[in-house]
Amino acid sequence: AQSVTQPDIHITVSEGASLELRCNYSYGATPYLFWYVQSPGQGLQLLLKYFSGDTLVQGIKGFEAEFKRSQSSFNLRKPSVHWSDAAEYFCAVGEGSTNAGKSTFGDGTTLTVKP
Amino acid sequence: GAGVSQSPRYKVAKRGQDVALRCDPISGHVSLFWYQQALGQGPEFLTYFQNEAQLDKSGLPSDRFFAERPEGSVSTLKIQRTQQEDSAVYLCASSLRGNTIYFGEGSWLTVV
Repeated sequence: AQSVTQPDIHITVSEGASLELRCNYSYGATPYLFWYVQSPGQGLQLLLKYFSGDTLVQGIKGFEAEFKRSQSSFNLRKPSVHWSDAAEYFCAVGEGSTNAGKSTFGDGTTLTVKP
Repeated sequence: GAGVSQSPRYKVAKRGQDVALRCDPISGHVSLFWYQQALGQGPEFLTYFQNEAQLDKSGLPSDRFFAERPEGSVSTLKIQRTQQEDSAVYLCASSLRGNTIYFGEGSWLTVV
C-alpha cells in the first residue's frame, strides 16, 4: 500500500529565509506526487505536481519540488519565504495521472513564519 | 460555479443523529471525490464518482456512511447514527480530466 511521511510536524523560519519541507513516499509503481497548501479554515490548494519528465518541478507562489527516486523523496523548497506562506503543507501520492483525486496524504507540516 | 461549494460549512450533531453534507462541484467536472480530515491529520480518501457512477467507495469507514451523485453533478455524503469519532472536516473535490483536483473549503462536523 502506498504511504507518505512528512517527518517535520512543525517548522519555523524567518521571513526571507529559505525553506525546505520534506516528504518521503512509498509506492510500488511510478509515483504521481503532489504538494498542497491549506490555510486555516480553507480547502487545499495545489502547489505543484510531478507525473514524469524533469525531476525539478516548478509550482505556484515561487515553490519548487525535486523528485528523487533513489531516496523516495519529493521535497518542497522556496528560496525566500513570505509571511503569507504561513500555512499547513501536505504531500500526497496519487494512484495515477488520470486519477489524482484518489491520493494518499501525509499528515502535514505546519509552517510558521517569523517577522 | 467558480469553485467547489460545500454546505453546511459547520454542523454540530448530537450522537445518533443523521447528517447530510452537500457538495456542488465546479460546473462540468466529471470526477468528484470525498475526503475525511481528522484534526491534526491529512485528508483520507472516502469515495469517488465519475459522473453519477460511484467507482470507488473503498475508503468509507463503515456502512453508516453513504454517498450519492444521482444526476452526475451535486453530491451528498450522508452519515447515519453519527458517533464522536465521525467528528472531522469533510472535504469535497472535483476534477475535469483527473490530473488536477480542486478542493472545496470543507464541512466541519462536530458530534457531541
